[in-house]
Amino acid sequence: GDSVTQMEGPVTLSEEAFLTINCTYTATGYPSLFWYVQYPGEGLQLLLKATKADDKGSNKGFEATYRKETTSFHLEKGSVQVSDSAVYFCALTYNQGGKLIFGQGTELSVKP
Amino acid sequence: DGGITQSPKYLFRKEGQNVTLSCEQNLNHDAMYWYRQDPGQGLRLIYYSQIVNDFQKGDIAEGYSVSREKKESFPLTVTSAQKNPTAFYLCASSGLGTGKETQYFGPGTRLLVL
Repeated sequence: GDSVTQMEGPVTLSEEAFLTINCTYTATGYPSLFWYVQYPGEGLQLLLKATKADDKGSNKGFEATYRKETTSFHLEKGSVQVSDSAVYFCALTYNQGGKLIFGQGTELSVKP
Repeated sequence: DGGITQSPKYLFRKEGQNVTLSCEQNLNHDAMYWYRQDPGQGLRLIYYSQIVNDFQKGDIAEGYSVSREKKESFPLTVTSAQKNPTAFYLCASSGLGTGKETQYFGPGTRLLVL
């Protein structure tokens, strides 16, 4: 079946450091891929998405590219801020309205 | 403002009691979902609905029930059969079809057992 695997956390960085959170997936079809962010005690917020191979999603300085050849959707940001501290979830779904399949989440902590 | 609301923010359940979590959306989305989140874990699907008066079980439906009498509303009941209900419950909604599959989430309800 379909699945998503993320790098384990927590990830601790200093402010202005470069961020990469790895995400790989297995899929039987051609899913859309997502990154969501969750701040403590809150619901999930959509960070970015990509719907087909080679698409790049971007938002608030974060980027991820849909790589079909490596089945990956790694999240990157050039310079993190303390306010980026949160849990990040990689996920996939298809357009028929079924479930989102999530990775286990990666906690990011950014220190001043 | 368009969005998804969940209530209450915190809910306490006594042994043997059924409790109902509310989820409302004004995004005109056809599909709605309930997920359960346990500490340090990803989200698992409980139930989902793509149309009024119809819904499907997700991966962990045992001990839960839902209804979809209106497009905007998808309440979740945690029954006494759910032996470990303490968790964070998230409701989501989306459209259906190509380009509409993005799921948007509510703020969540935290359920605690007394």
